[in-house]
Amino acid sequence: NAGVTQTPKFRVLKTGQSMTLLCAQDMNHEYMYWYRQDPGMGLRLIHYSVGEGTTAKGEVPDGYNVSRLKKQNFLLGLESAAPSQTSVYFCASSRGGTNTEAFFGQGTRLTVV
Amino acid sequence: AQKITQTQPGMFVQEKEAVTLDCTYDTSDQSYGLFWYKQPSSGEMIFLIYQGSYDEQNATEGRYSLNFQKARKSANLVISASQLGDSAMYFCAMSQGRGGSQGNLIFGKGTKLSVKP
Repeated sequence: NAGVTQTPKFRVLKTGQSMTLLCAQDMNHEYMYWYRQDPGMGLRLIHYSVGEGTTAKGEVPDGYNVSRLKKQNFLLGLESAAPSQTSVYFCASSRGGTNTEAFFGQGTRLTVV
Repeated sequence: AQKITQTQPGMFVQEKEAVTLDCTYDTSDQSYGLFWYKQPSSGEMIFLIYQGSYDEQNATEGRYSLNFQKARKSANLVISASQLGDSAMYFCAMSQGRGGSQGNLIFGKGTKLSVKP
């Protein structure tokens, strides 16, 4: 049972470099999310998708782009990384609606130097 | 604006005792869900328990129960008979109930629970 899989698990970037985080889910969920977790801040929503081909901004979208070309995949891109984007990134998926839990990936620890 | 508040940054509990983690929320929606997640030191997010805004009875899942007081807008997590493995960060979250954002979770800042042997 894979659930939600994120790659990579760790990454160090230099300021200005770009990268893409990949999230894959095998539960046929419609909704997918990208969150970032910073110390003392809880999890904050970056972008989300309510279905294949759709994306929408969350609470902290600046500096990130996303794409959902296939239902099972949700990609998070950083075009020009900044030290402020040093964080732990979590992908999640759910069936949608207010009464369903979200299933989370293992997280990606990103450091921008 | 919707908001989740967890006022206890850290808590200690003796093994085998019960502990209550506080969570208050603010929303103007009638339909919403409240969730608790556990994050051990290994980092993964583990779903513990869910309470719907229209549920009249408090949710229970094994040693976890959710003390839901709608009028006070509180959704406290009660862990009975604490175990050493319960030491972790605990996050309260609320699902947004409007339009296309249904299912988006808003998280509190978390409470770090330490269980003492």
